[in-house]
Amino acid sequence: GDSVTQMEGPVTLSEEAFLTINCTYTATGYPSLFWYVQYPGEGLQLLLKATKADDKGSNKGFEATYRKETTSFHLEKGSVQVSDSAVYFCALGITGGGNKLTFGTGTQLKVEL
Amino acid sequence: SAVISQKPSRDICQRGTSLTIQCQVDSQVTMMFWYRQQPGQSLTLIATANQGSEATYESGFVIDKFPISRPNLTFSTLTVSNMSPEDSSIYLCSAIGHYEQYFGPGTRLTVT
Repeated sequence: GDSVTQMEGPVTLSEEAFLTINCTYTATGYPSLFWYVQYPGEGLQLLLKATKADDKGSNKGFEATYRKETTSFHLEKGSVQVSDSAVYFCALGITGGGNKLTFGTGTQLKVEL
Repeated sequence: SAVISQKPSRDICQRGTSLTIQCQVDSQVTMMFWYRQQPGQSLTLIATANQGSEATYESGFVIDKFPISRPNLTFSTLTVSNMSPEDSSIYLCSAIGHYEQYFGPGTRLTVT
């Protein structure tokens, strides 16, 4: 079946450090890939997405490129801020799969001054 | 965008009892879902809440345990029945609107 594997947390970084959160997937169809973020006390919010191979999703300084050859969708940001502290979830959705999402386990990011 | 609210935000319940979680969306949406997030695990889809008909359950989830209602395009309820400590989780409501999937803040359930 479909699955998403992402690096375990928590990840602790200093402000302005470079961030990478790894995400790989297994899918039988043609997935769209997503990164969701959950700030403390809030619901999940869509951070970025990519719908086909080689697409790059970007938002708020975060980027992720859909790599079909390595089945990966790693999240990156060049300079993190304290306000980026949250839990990040990688997810996939199969085209024609009823809009159901398969999630990774989430990675907690803590950014310190 | 769609804003989703859930009630209650958290609850502590005794085993053998039932809890109904409400989900309200501030606009009409095409699809609504219920997810579960067990401690330290990823979100797992419980079911798709269908407006005016029975919900569609994922493998491992049954209607007797998780009855779902969706009387209109903005509201749904999930009941966790005959609870056991293994049901302790965060339950999230989700909806598709404006070509994006939105999530509620979740209901944190603890069963003692």
